[in-house]
Amino acid sequence: AQKVTQAQTEISVVEKEDVTLDCVYETRDTTYYLFWYKQPPSGELVFLIRRNSFDEQNEISGRYSWNFQKSTSSFNFTITASQVVDSAVYFCALSEERHMRFGAGTRLTVKP
Amino acid sequence: KAGVTQTPRYLIKTRGQQVTLSCSPISGHRSVSWYQQTPGQGLQFLFEYFSETQRNKGNFPGRFSGRQFSNSRSEMNVSTLELGDSALYLCASSSTSQGYNEKLFFGSGTQLSVL
Repeated sequence: AQKVTQAQTEISVVEKEDVTLDCVYETRDTTYYLFWYKQPPSGELVFLIRRNSFDEQNEISGRYSWNFQKSTSSFNFTITASQVVDSAVYFCALSEERHMRFGAGTRLTVKP
Repeated sequence: KAGVTQTPRYLIKTRGQQVTLSCSPISGHRSVSWYQQTPGQGLQFLFEYFSETQRNKGNFPGRFSGRQFSNSRSEMNVSTLELGDSALYLCASSSTSQGYNEKLFFGSGTQLSVL
């Protein structure tokens, strides 16, 4: 069965620290898509990134960066110079069988 | 463009009752998916509709049902409510027929409490 593991349940950092959120996945598909979503206290999940299985290039968007390594089935997310507004629950997800399978989420708290 | 709108935001019901939740997708989006979020089970897929047809269903009992209207608005219904149905129900829309591979736009959810 396909699976998404986010081993870190909660992370707490002080503002301006860098933080990496881990995501490990399992799939038998050769073509698949990986995602990261952010869920602030308001509840709605906000899309951050989509990566397909053939594109192993790392991506940077402002303070956010993503490291996709097919060899280790990992798709990690780093926030550089964290800010209080980054406090949220972050979900990694894998597309499978016409729906998304989400990891359990990592709650990130950034303290001032 | 308005985002995904879910109503009501909060709902309190008692065991045995039934409930209907509503979702209006982003204008032009024809794919609507529903997810249940609980502290214990996390985010779990309920079902997905595209052009009024249910294309995929998650592993939930038949008490959970849904439908989609010609304007792409969707409703989900839970009959004979159980305490374990207490959850945040999230609706998401997508612009393509392959919503599971595309960026999803989520609503803020309906928080259902079953007493």
